[in-house]
Amino acid sequence: RKEVEQDPGPFNVPEGATVAFNCTYSNSASQSFFWYRQDCRKEPKLLMSVYSSGNEDGRFTAQLNRASQYISLLIRDSKLSDSATYLCVVKGGGGADGLTFGKGTHLIIQP
Amino acid sequence: EADIYQTPRYLVIGTGKKITLECSQTMGHDKMYWYQQDPGMELHLIHYSYGVNSTEKGDLSSESTVSRIRTEHFPLTLESARPSHTSQYLCASSEWGWSSSGYTFGSGTRLTVV
Repeated sequence: RKEVEQDPGPFNVPEGATVAFNCTYSNSASQSFFWYRQDCRKEPKLLMSVYSSGNEDGRFTAQLNRASQYISLLIRDSKLSDSATYLCVVKGGGGADGLTFGKGTHLIIQP
Repeated sequence: EADIYQTPRYLVIGTGKKITLECSQTMGHDKMYWYQQDPGMELHLIHYSYGVNSTEKGDLSSESTVSRIRTEHFPLTLESARPSHTSQYLCASSEWGWSSSGYTFGSGTRLTVV
């Protein structure tokens, strides 16, 4: 089983809709979780950290479920500019801070 | 405004050439990293450094080498480029206690070896 798994998509969603996707992780000792956004041919950028109690940043809500070992990202009122690949990032084992990047979920918002 | 800079942005080079990909950051971060990413694929850590004179190999085996003589500079060198080295190389940095701020990535170098 891969350390971090994401549905690659693509998710085709109409503008204004709500979309959610999950990411599962294999290491139950994982400590920190993040969502990064990567636009086509660009570098990843931190979207938000994921806290145990869940957290919200505008239209974006991140949740952590330690029992089932997954994190989720929900985007409300989706905009065309939300089209991107969303990378799940987990800290827990491995070199260099033990940070493992998921392969990403490709989101396409359609007008 | 970018605080971590990578040059060149694009590089097309012949097999067997020696190349150095530059990465510099102005944030005073101790930790720096090199990732390799093929189109549509995940990032793979190839090298990292926790400070001056510190270099470590990452999770993905790479024929490249790195050096860290100055805090702000973390160049990556390929002694003899091959077509299999064609990929995007992303440099990143972070501060100690990075949990809230995450990694800052450079814009990447897209390398093509012909």
